[in-house]
Amino acid sequence: GQQVMQIPQYQHVQEGEDFTTYCNSSTTLSNIQWYKQRPGGHPVFLIQLVKSGEVKKQKRLTFQFGEAKKNSSLHITATQTTDVGTYFCAGREISNDYKLSFGAGTTVTVRA
Amino acid sequence: NAGVTQTPKFQVLKTGQSMTLQCAQDMNHNSMYWYRQDPGMGLRLIYYSASEGTTDKGEVPNGYNVSRLNKREFSLRLESAAPSQTSVYFCASSLTGYNQPQHFGDGTRLSIL
Repeated sequence: GQQVMQIPQYQHVQEGEDFTTYCNSSTTLSNIQWYKQRPGGHPVFLIQLVKSGEVKKQKRLTFQFGEAKKNSSLHITATQTTDVGTYFCAGREISNDYKLSFGAGTTVTVRA
Repeated sequence: NAGVTQTPKFQVLKTGQSMTLQCAQDMNHNSMYWYRQDPGMGLRLIYYSASEGTTDKGEVPNGYNVSRLNKREFSLRLESAAPSQTSVYFCASSLTGYNQPQHFGDGTRLSIL
């Protein structure tokens, strides 16, 4: 079955620095979604990428979908304490409309 | 505007006890999902319901049953709880379609002793 791998598992960042988290799928994806979960909270949808090579930005967050639609990345610039949490990617297989396969997540902590 | 509501928020069970986790959404979504979240393993799909009247197994269905009671409600039942089912359980819902985001409830933190 489909597997979505996410690295790194943990990211400790100095406030103001940039970092990137990566997501890789064993199969081609129809689309990929990113979610953020604050400590003690629930996952909240951030964005969806559908097209090969697509790049989307949300303020300091840049999301990219690979040309082969098997990988994705989230880049955060000038990290702030509000960025603390776990970021999940979730891929949807072409053959199944309903199932999302979640990566294990990247847990981000920020040093002030 | 409640979104997805899960009850209870916390529960402690003894091994072998049964329990039903409740989930209701008020967004008129067709699709609903149950996930479990364990440290280092992300969210794993237990069961989903693409529409009222249908349910399908996800990645980790063993030891669980579900009921799609109506369009709003989707319950998850543990018939004979085991310590391996200690987890945080999330219910989610979405509109039908491959490009729809999922909306999550606040979760149920379940401990089985």
